[in-house]
Amino acid sequence: DAGVIQSPRHEVTEMGQEVTLRCKPISGHNSLFWYRQTMMRGLELLIYFNNNVPIDDSGMPEDRFSAKMPNASFSTLKIQPSEPRDSAVYFCASSSLAGATDTQYFGPGTRLTVL
Amino acid sequence: AQKVTQAQTEISVVEKEDVTLDCVYETRDTTYYLFWYKQPPSGELVFLIRRNSFDEQNEISGRYSWNFQKSTSSFNFTITASQVVDSAVYFCGDYGQNFVFGPGTRLSVLP
Repeated sequence: DAGVIQSPRHEVTEMGQEVTLRCKPISGHNSLFWYRQTMMRGLELLIYFNNNVPIDDSGMPEDRFSAKMPNASFSTLKIQPSEPRDSAVYFCASSSLAGATDTQYFGPGTRLTVL
Repeated sequence: AQKVTQAQTEISVVEKEDVTLDCVYETRDTTYYLFWYKQPPSGELVFLIRRNSFDEQNEISGRYSWNFQKSTSSFNFTITASQVVDSAVYFCGDYGQNFVFGPGTRLSVLP
């Protein structure tokens, strides 16, 4: 299996620009998670989907952030407009069972830098 | 409110030593799940274990073991006969109402 695929691996953008991060979960997995990691805030769960439906988005920081999962094989995390404080590593993970409690497999992460 | 404390910021051991990473959680949820993740220097995240609040049995997986004690709200992680490849940051997490992570413990295993 190819594992969880994230793109791009690195993104540098200027404040105010729209940023879209992409994730392809492991085929057959039913849950997908977006995490953010920064030095200041540590590791945070932003949102997770079960069967393409957002279940818990309580970690989404504000309206500038939005996540979609139009089908079982693709998800996006969009930031519009981006700000320097959004600079972080964003991880996507998937798990085979619906729910937040099964083994999660992580992608390599996207390192976002907002100037 | 949920909270996860990993009081040990950094630990250094010499290879083959046993090491225990502490995790203390606070929650009002009656049903919750506890997790451990590993983040090696390369930066990826590796899911190690989950445990639900109704299962206090200890878990052993090779050199790794976990001790869950509800009485002390702890979910500690022990590595037996540590190896250099165990060097990483280890995160403990709690999922109840929300997913909350501890700040991590950086483990350095010296040859």
